[in-house]
Amino acid sequence: DTEVTQTPKHLVMGMTNKKSLKCEQHMGHRAMYWYKQKAKKPPELMFVYSYEKLSINESVPSRFSPECPNSSLLNLHLHALQPEDSALYLCASSQDPGGRQPQHFGDGTRLSIL
Amino acid sequence: GENVEQHPSTLSVQEGDSAVIKCTYSDSASNYFPWYKQELGKRPQLIIDIRSNVGEKKDQRIAVTLNKTAKHFSLHITETQPEDSAVYFCAATSGNTPLVFGKGTRLSVIA
Repeated sequence: DTEVTQTPKHLVMGMTNKKSLKCEQHMGHRAMYWYKQKAKKPPELMFVYSYEKLSINESVPSRFSPECPNSSLLNLHLHALQPEDSALYLCASSQDPGGRQPQHFGDGTRLSIL
Repeated sequence: GENVEQHPSTLSVQEGDSAVIKCTYSDSASNYFPWYKQELGKRPQLIIDIRSNVGEKKDQRIAVTLNKTAKHFSLHITETQPEDSAVYFCAATSGNTPLVFGKGTRLSVIA
């Protein structure tokens, strides 16, 4: 069972489209993360939300826009993406916003930009 | 900031043999060291973690050792099985900065 649920599992979009990735956790975790992972590479941190507030933005281009509507939900809004943005997008959550507790990952959304 | 080096990048072992993956870190303030296993097409899953107040932790066939003085930590898998084949990532954090991952080790267990 995956405790962090991501939708959709796969997404194909054109460079002019607008789409959103969704992530949900019901473990009461106070930190939520977005990562981007390219093939054969480690996860690369994009954003961290701590207590529903954006605490870290790792210099991510503005075509990626995160949103945390409540403590259980995390969205990533996509607009005018480039082919190099094709990757696996992973959501994770953790009890500790300081990062010293295990991060639980979702299954990811595999994004392809045409 | 923190920098984590992981070796080897690929590792092949015979079924039943042991596998060892090593990581070094640069920030002496780092105090939490998780290990993740990622099977092909799947999510990273935490398999074991260690904090800086202990030198070793074991969970069945998996163990992690930490040497704070040398700033390195290692993952040991004994009696390897084909289902251990995956990419393994080490990581480190002090809690003041985000988790930093190593580049990963692709482990192949040959039956």
